[in-house]
Amino acid sequence: DTGVSQDPRHKITKRGQNVTFRCDPISEHNRLYWYRQTLGQGPEFLTYFQNEAQLEKSRLLSDRFSAERPKGSFSTLEIQRTEQGDSAMYLCASSLDHQPPYEQYFGPGTRLTVT
Amino acid sequence: QKEVEQNSGPLSVPEGAIASLNCTYSDRGSQSFFWYRQYSGKSPELIMSIYSNGDKEDGRFTAQLNKASQYVSLLIRDSQPSDSATYLCAVKDDGSYKLIFGSGTRLLVRP
Repeated sequence: DTGVSQDPRHKITKRGQNVTFRCDPISEHNRLYWYRQTLGQGPEFLTYFQNEAQLEKSRLLSDRFSAERPKGSFSTLEIQRTEQGDSAMYLCASSLDHQPPYEQYFGPGTRLTVT
Repeated sequence: QKEVEQNSGPLSVPEGAIASLNCTYSDRGSQSFFWYRQYSGKSPELIMSIYSNGDKEDGRFTAQLNKASQYVSLLIRDSQPSDSATYLCAVKDDGSYKLIFGSGTRLLVRP
């Protein structure tokens, strides 16, 4: 059973460019989550999907951010017109939630640096 | 604003000792609680989850939950230098599936 995978692992981009990250969840996991983590802080929720439906988005998620999970399998997170404040580790997690406690398993993350 | 609070540390313990990590949360309706371990530059790794009041043991790890006091703790017995990491407490948001994380406690195990 392979874990959550993310691609790329590192991304350096110039301010104003668009970037897209991919996440492949653990197979058969129906929920997929995106978090962002900056140095010294815990992960901060961005959005999550149940199958292909995006059920919740953080109020912190500006309209420059968009996420999709078109077939209920992998997901993409796009950031348009990147800003230096977008520099962070972007984490994807997945869960299979038939019953509590609804454990989430994280991928290795994508580290974004905006110069 | 729902919050999860942890002491940032560092908590320094000698090898072989018991490390005790604590966490409080603000949302009384929360039901599921998690401890993640995060090594520097890596992603969080789930080590324990707890749903019911009381203790839950898994190897050298024991999670303790007291919903009345809104308090979760993690005990690590026979601490090893390889346990040195940041430990993140997370709480499942009531009415949602998202996790709310604390800022983590840095643990240092001295050889």
